[in-house]
Amino acid sequence: GAGVSQSPSNKVTEKGKDVELRCDPISGHTALYWYRQSLGQGLEFLIYFQGNSAPDKSGLPSDRFSAERTGGSVSTLTIQRTQQEDSAVYLCASSLGRLNSPLHFGNGTRLTVT
Amino acid sequence: AQRVTQPEKLLSVFKGAPVELKCNYSYSGSPELFWYVQYSRQRLQLLLRHISRESIKGFTADLNKGETSFHLKKPFAQEEDSAMYYCALARDGQNFVFGPGTRLSVLP
Repeated sequence: GAGVSQSPSNKVTEKGKDVELRCDPISGHTALYWYRQSLGQGLEFLIYFQGNSAPDKSGLPSDRFSAERTGGSVSTLTIQRTQQEDSAVYLCASSLGRLNSPLHFGNGTRLTVT
Repeated sequence: AQRVTQPEKLLSVFKGAPVELKCNYSYSGSPELFWYVQYSRQRLQLLLRHISRESIKGFTADLNKGETSFHLKKPFAQEEDSAMYYCALARDGQNFVFGPGTRLSVLP
């Protein structure tokens, strides 16, 4: 079946604008993850969903970042009042949500804040 | 706090040489460890996990609880192994934390 799908693949926005990033997980995957990949910084955990609830939001860098998941499927990551330091690749992953289930990643959204 | 460290940002080896990518972790529970790889212009994908005790593309990794390490090894590197490698720890079996990554460059 289809893999994890993220949209848009690229987003350029002006500083101060809000952006929404979307993730469609693999069908049947109950767990969904958002990570941020910055140049030279590796993968930074943002938030993790099990179903529609988020047991761990500890990675969200500030209150400008929020995420939701509806229907146990699609998730959106919203960044309000974007700053230049928000520029990065935002990766979404999903898994079956069982012990040791591996993550399946999307291609990411490259966000550039000018 | 749970964390994963990969001391080398960049590792260069010649084709045919052995390669070892280091990974150390700190976690109070029973660790579940993984290696993920990202080839150029491809998405991040699972390479192997310690629980499977498998060898994928000639790579193996052994969990050493005494040294809290999960180093990735291959006896003879190939040019197609050039990629970014991330070590990951699954906290409580589901919530993953990743190391900073090591870029492996295999020279001809």
